[in-house]
Amino acid sequence: DTAVSQTPKYLVTQMGNDKSIKCEQNLGHDTMYWYKQDSKKFLKIMFSYNNKELIINETVPNRFSPKSPDKAHLNLHINSLELGDSAVYFCASSQTSVYEQYFGPGTRLTVT
Amino acid sequence: GDSVTQMEGPVTLSEEAFLTINCTYTATGYPSLFWYVQYPGEGLQLLLKATKADDKGSNKGFEATYRKETTSFHLEKGSVQVSDSAVYFCALPRGSARQLTFGSGTQLTVLP
Repeated sequence: DTAVSQTPKYLVTQMGNDKSIKCEQNLGHDTMYWYKQDSKKFLKIMFSYNNKELIINETVPNRFSPKSPDKAHLNLHINSLELGDSAVYFCASSQTSVYEQYFGPGTRLTVT
Repeated sequence: GDSVTQMEGPVTLSEEAFLTINCTYTATGYPSLFWYVQYPGEGLQLLLKATKADDKGSNKGFEATYRKETTSFHLEKGSVQVSDSAVYFCALPRGSARQLTFGSGTQLTVLP
């Protein structure tokens, strides 16, 4: 059974479009995250939600908007896509009492 | 603030060679330390961890010892295999939100 899943796995779109990436975890965790990984493999945290509440909001453009309809889901919506948004986006989850995070397989976003 | 510094990559080794990937940390107190591995096309997976000074984490033939004297958590493996080719990340927790701070990642390629 997949623990943390993301859809889609690949997303190719043009500049200016709006797109969403979905994430679901079936681990019963209460905290979920979005990370951006650039072409040099550098990982940057973008957002974190705990029990559907936003607890981390790093400096990202406000074109990026996370939404957590329930503890098992955290979606990422991106408006007015730019070339620099091209990256791999990872969703992750953890339980408040421990630090270990479990990652999804990633969504490779390519903006042309 | 709390941070980790990882050795620059990429690292290329022949099969059965000895591997060391250096990681040093800066932190208040003695946080848990982690190594994550990212295989090609996949998300990050927890490889091993150590929760206190002098602890040794181990998994899949990899080891890392939490050394407070040198503020280090170097990853080692006695005999690498082609299947160990991946990107390795050192990480430590920071903040009340329990987020993980990742190192810059070290790309390992093992040649047959």
